[in-house]
Amino acid sequence: GQNIDQPTEMTATEGAIVQINCTYQTSGFNGLFWYQQHAGEAPTFLSYNVLDGLEEKGRFSSFLSRSKGYSYLLLKELQMKDSASYLCAVLDSNYQLIWGAGTKLIIKP
Amino acid sequence: GAVVSQHPSWVICKSGTSVKIECRSLDFQATTMFWYRQFPKQSLMLMATSNEGSKATYEQGVEKDKFLINHASLTLSTLTVTSAHPEDSSFYICSARLAGDYNEQFFGPGTRLTVL
Repeated sequence: GQNIDQPTEMTATEGAIVQINCTYQTSGFNGLFWYQQHAGEAPTFLSYNVLDGLEEKGRFSSFLSRSKGYSYLLLKELQMKDSASYLCAVLDSNYQLIWGAGTKLIIKP
Repeated sequence: GAVVSQHPSWVICKSGTSVKIECRSLDFQATTMFWYRQFPKQSLMLMATSNEGSKATYEQGVEKDKFLINHASLTLSTLTVTSAHPEDSSFYICSARLAGDYNEQFFGPGTRLTVL
C-alpha cells in the first residue's frame, strides 16, 4: 500500500529552527509537496521537490532523497504565525496526490 | 495567478436537505478538479477526481449517488451533497490542476458544512 509518515505534533520556540520529517512509500513518484494549513483554512503551497537535494525559499527549505524515500521541511527564524499544520504529499505514478496526516507545529514565545 | 474560489464558505442545513458547493478556477482553465473532505485533526481525504466533460472518478468508499459531481466547464465544478446527514458535516475543499500541468494543485478556501 501507499504510506506517508510524518510526526503528529512538534513544538518549537519563536526565533528557532525546526525540521519536519516525512518518509514515504508510494507506487511511483512524480514529486513531493509541502503545504501549510492553518486551522479552518485550505492548504497553501510551500514547496515542490522532484529531484534530490535542497530547495531554499526564504525562511523555508525543503530537502528530498528519492533513494531513501525521505524529505524534510526546514523552517528558520520561526515566527508565531508559523503555528500551523504542515502536510507532506507525494504525487504518485497516476499523478494522484497521496497525503500525509500532517504535522501540527506549535510555536512558543 | 492560479486562484480557486469556493462558494459558499459556510453552510448550515437541516438533515435530509441537499447542499451544492461550487468550485471555480478564476484565472486559468482546469481540466481536472479534485474534491477533498477533511474531518477535524485529520488530513485531506480525496473523494473524487472531476474531469471536464466526463464523469467523475470516485475513491473507494465514497458514494457517487450521495456526492454528485458535475464539471460542466473548464472553470467550474460542483459538488452536491444529497440528503445530508450530521455525519456529512465536514470541511470540503476543492483543488484545480492547470491544463497540461500534472503537478501542482491549487486549492480553494474550503467550505465548512454543518448538518443539524
